Amino acid sequence: GQSLEQPSEVTAVEGAIVQINCTYQTSGFYGLSWYQQHDGGAPTFLSYNALDGLEETGRFSSFLSRSDSYGYLLLQELQMKDSASYFCAASDRDGGGQLTFGSGTQLTVLP
Amino acid sequence: EADIYQTPRYLVIGTGKKITLECSQTMGHDKMYWYQQDPGMELHLIHYSYGVNSTEKGDLSSESTVSRIRTEHFPLTLESARPSHTSQYLCASSEYETGLVLGFGQGTRLTVV
Repeated sequence: GQSLEQPSEVTAVEGAIVQINCTYQTSGFYGLSWYQQHDGGAPTFLSYNALDGLEETGRFSSFLSRSDSYGYLLLQELQMKDSASYFCAASDRDGGGQLTFGSGTQLTVLP
Repeated sequence: EADIYQTPRYLVIGTGKKITLECSQTMGHDKMYWYQQDPGMELHLIHYSYGVNSTEKGDLSSESTVSRIRTEHFPLTLESARPSHTSQYLCASSEYETGLVLGFGQGTRLTVV
């Protein structure tokens, strides 16, 4: 099985940079992905890491360190519309077995 | 990313009724999933399928059942709804090679009264 931990809440101001951390404990691990979910909406995929290092996708970047069982999502140039919940999710084997989701981090962006 | 459709979006139903939540995807993805999510909480996997005639239970115990007779269709059925089934049900699909990337439907918000 897998368990993932991430902070429950993060607050930042518009234009700032914020980092949302995720640590995981797994019996098998393939990779880590990140999802954004606005209130009342469905999760949408942001980024994933199957290898150690940084993946950059526009204002969003994701990082993975397998040796530390740790990853993070970095959001740059924060905008009000980035206020949402962010979930990390771990896959347990190659080919993408089952995804286990963390409990989510509620990001609030202040003007 | 999948084009994935769920119906109904909202459903209020009485205790004891049988209901089927529909999920269809147009991308031909082999992998499909059902997640349950309470407001403000994490997603819990309740069922998944790796292809036609393949169905498995997820980590969260559920009284629901699923079927996968066609690649594009993955319905979830509750034989006898109870108030404890009140939740949001999210269907997702993924390409086989990159299971880390899920495309979700808009969800069905179920209320059992």
